[in-house]
Amino acid sequence: DAKTTQPPSMDCAEGRAANLPCNHSTISGNEYVYWYRQIHSQGPQYIIHGLKNNETNEMASLIITEDRKSSTLILPHATLRDTAVYYCIVRVPPYEAAGNKLTFGGGTRVLVKP
Amino acid sequence: NAGVTQTPKFRVLKTGQSMTLLCAQDMNHEYMYWYRQDPGMGLRLIHYSVGEGTTAKGEVPDGYNVSRLKKQNFLLGLESAAPSQTSVYFCASSFEAGVRSYEQYFGPGTRLTVT
Repeated sequence: DAKTTQPPSMDCAEGRAANLPCNHSTISGNEYVYWYRQIHSQGPQYIIHGLKNNETNEMASLIITEDRKSSTLILPHATLRDTAVYYCIVRVPPYEAAGNKLTFGGGTRVLVKP
Repeated sequence: NAGVTQTPKFRVLKTGQSMTLLCAQDMNHEYMYWYRQDPGMGLRLIHYSVGEGTTAKGEVPDGYNVSRLKKQNFLLGLESAAPSQTSVYFCASSFEAGVRSYEQYFGPGTRLTVT
């Protein structure tokens, strides 16, 4: 699985968009980008995933660059409840990953301020 | 639909004691996982199971054993607890590989302290 690089921490203002970057310059052609988040003391929560097209769901948008070497998770209107650690994970599709395993790195600690 | 539940929520053990952590899921998932998370770190996979009666080692399996006798349950055992096993333990489950398997569902965690 490709290695990812994320900033260790970032702040954003409540009500504004939060843009979380992730670098994955060694990503392979069939590897997906996943995002999970972990609110303090809770289990991680799936947010979104994508291969090469931009994706949007009710929680966030995922923008993947054309060369797929980096991506950005966008929380459109950050709230205080979005304060969490956000993990960017790059991995082959579930049907190619033995046991559908995930590998978590250090993530980005996001603090949403009023 | 409770999702993934873990028992107990908290536990304090003395060095050398044993215990079993229970994970249960009601989503009919084939795959289940045990992770540990040390302070300030990401999650690390201990063991996982791809179906009833199967188990496999993850990244940090030493000192732990697991069993999956029923599809809905995944047990994590510590035979002789050590202070290095002080951590928060998370269980997760997912569908088997396919269209619906991109997401893992996590439980609330068990905080274990070994003194």
